[in-house]
This record gives sequence, C-alpha cells and structure tokens, in this order.
Amino acid sequence: GDSVTQMEGPVTLSEEAFLTINCTYTATGYPSLFWYVQYPGEGLQLLLKATKADDKGSNKGFEATYRKETTSFHLEKGSVQVSDSAVYFCALRTAGGTSYGKLTFGQGTILTVHP
Amino acid sequence: EPEVTQTPSHQVTQMGQEVILRCVPISNHLYFYWYRQILGQKVEFLVSFYNNEISEKSEIFDDQFSVERPDGSNFTLKIRSTKLEDSAMYFCASNPGLSETQYFGPGTRLLVL
Repeated sequence: GDSVTQMEGPVTLSEEAFLTINCTYTATGYPSLFWYVQYPGEGLQLLLKATKADDKGSNKGFEATYRKETTSFHLEKGSVQVSDSAVYFCALRTAGGTSYGKLTFGQGTILTVHP
Repeated sequence: EPEVTQTPSHQVTQMGQEVILRCVPISNHLYFYWYRQILGQKVEFLVSFYNNEISEKSEIFDDQFSVERPDGSNFTLKIRSTKLEDSAMYFCASNPGLSETQYFGPGTRLLVL
C-alpha cells in the first residue's frame, strides 16, 4: 500500500537557519503530495501541495518540489523563525481508483526554532 | 474563514464505555473523514463518508466504530465499547471535492482509562 516516510526528528534550529525536512513516498500511480503543519493546540493546516511531477508548492517561505524520479517531496525554508516551531507532516493522496481522497501521512517532524 | 469544528476538545472515559465524537464540517463540503493519531505515532486514516454512506474505511475501523451524519451539519464518530488502545487524538476533516484540499478540525483528545 501507499506509505510516506519522513526524516527522524525532532529538529532544533536557531532563528534564520536553513531548514530541510526530508520526505519520501511509495505509491501506485501519480499521487498528490502535501505538507501539513500543526501548531501547538491547533489542528492540521495545509502548508503547501503539489499535484504532479516537477510541480513546486510554496507558501510562507516554505517550498517543496515533487520529484517523481526520487519519489521525494522535501520541505525547505531558507530562514526559519521562532513562529515556525510546529509539527510538520508530509502526506499523499492516492490518485483515482477506489480511493475517496484519503490522506496517508508520515510520522511528523517536530521543529523547534530558538531565538 | 469557515473552519471545521470538533467537540469536545478532550474526553476521558472508562474502558467499555461508548463515546461519541462530534464534528461540524464546512457547510458546502461533500466529503468527510475521520483520522486518528495515537501519541507519538502517525496520523492514520479511519473512514471517509460521502452521500450519506461510508465510501472507504481502514482496517482500524472495525465493528466497534460507526459514523453518522444525523442532520445537515454534524458528522459523528461513535466508538461502542472503548478500549485502552483507542486513546488518541481524533481529527475530523472535510473537503468540497475529491481533488480539493482537506480541511482539518482541531481534534478531540480521547483518553480511555
């Protein structure tokens, strides 16, 4: 079945450092890929998405590129802020077939940014 | 901005008791989902619901679980006889179409003692 693997966490960075959170996936067909973020005490919020190979999703300074050849969707940000401290989830949505849009998530990566 | 809401935010129950978790999806959405996250583990899909019936369910969603849309606004998850291992954060989500973004509620933290 479909699966998503994220890099081990937690990740601790200083403000203005460069962030990479690795995400790789296994899926049949051509899934859509997502990054969700969960701030303390809140639900999951969509951060960015990409629906086909070579698409780049971006939002709030975060970027991720859908790489079909390496089955990856790594999250990057050039300069993190304290307010980026949260849990980040990589996810995929199976394309078509009998799927009714369910999301398959990675295990989440806790990011802590210190001033 | 419209949002998915869930009640209660926290629930503590005794093993063997029934619990009902409630969700109000965004009003024009057609597809509804429940996910759960056991502490320290992945967010896992439980069930999807469309056109007043279950459209897909996972292996986790056994006979102890049921979902219902009793009126035009609420979407509920019932666990008939809770087990210790049902302790988790339960998230409701909805979207207006299969290819659209899923919007998540803040979750209900269930603790089974």
